[in-house]
Amino acid sequence: KAGVTQTPRYLIKTRGQQVTLSCSPISGHRSVSWYQQTPGQGLQFLFEYFSETQRNKGNFPGRFSGRQFSNSRSEMNVSTLELGDSALYLCASSLQPGNTEAFFGQGTRLTVV
Amino acid sequence: DQQVKQNSPSLSVQEGRISILNCDYTNSMFDYFLWYKKYPAEGPTFLISISSIKDKNEDGRFTVFLNKSAKHLSLHIVPSQPGDSAVYFCAASGRGSEKLVFGKGTKLTVNP
Repeated sequence: KAGVTQTPRYLIKTRGQQVTLSCSPISGHRSVSWYQQTPGQGLQFLFEYFSETQRNKGNFPGRFSGRQFSNSRSEMNVSTLELGDSALYLCASSLQPGNTEAFFGQGTRLTVV
Repeated sequence: DQQVKQNSPSLSVQEGRISILNCDYTNSMFDYFLWYKKYPAEGPTFLISISSIKDKNEDGRFTVFLNKSAKHLSLHIVPSQPGDSAVYFCAASGRGSEKLVFGKGTKLTVNP
């Protein structure tokens, strides 16, 4: 069974640009969550989608948005990039929301210059 | 406000000895706890979990202990192996919030 696939693996953008990251969950998993990992803050929750609906949202500005498609694939978008947005963005999939283990992708390393 | 705290950023242990990684939480609504291991350039991988109805869960060399009154959990790895060297994240979820809340991680180094 294929794992969680995130594309692209690496990305370099300039300040002010926007970026879209993609996540394909494990087949059959309908819940997708996004996390930002930085050295200072660790893993911080961005948002969670289940059945194309956002169920939870973390404390991030409105520049961060996401969506989920009918095939459970998810995208997250960051507009008007700032230097501080440089981070590893991780996607995790699980069968459903709630108390269940999540499987992570390898992440997308975003560098904003 | 950090709801899940891993106060030791790093830990160094000799091969064959026990590694103990600690985690504290503040939210009494948390009722499910997980440990993830992360190698560089890879996503976190699930290691072991424990529900609040238990105080211990064991899986091979890995044991997680939960002390609900102290809002504290720990991961014991015994015996430690060099391949265990990684960053370990403690995570929690609970009633009213299904999202996982992670600690900042502890970097474990197991020396041969």
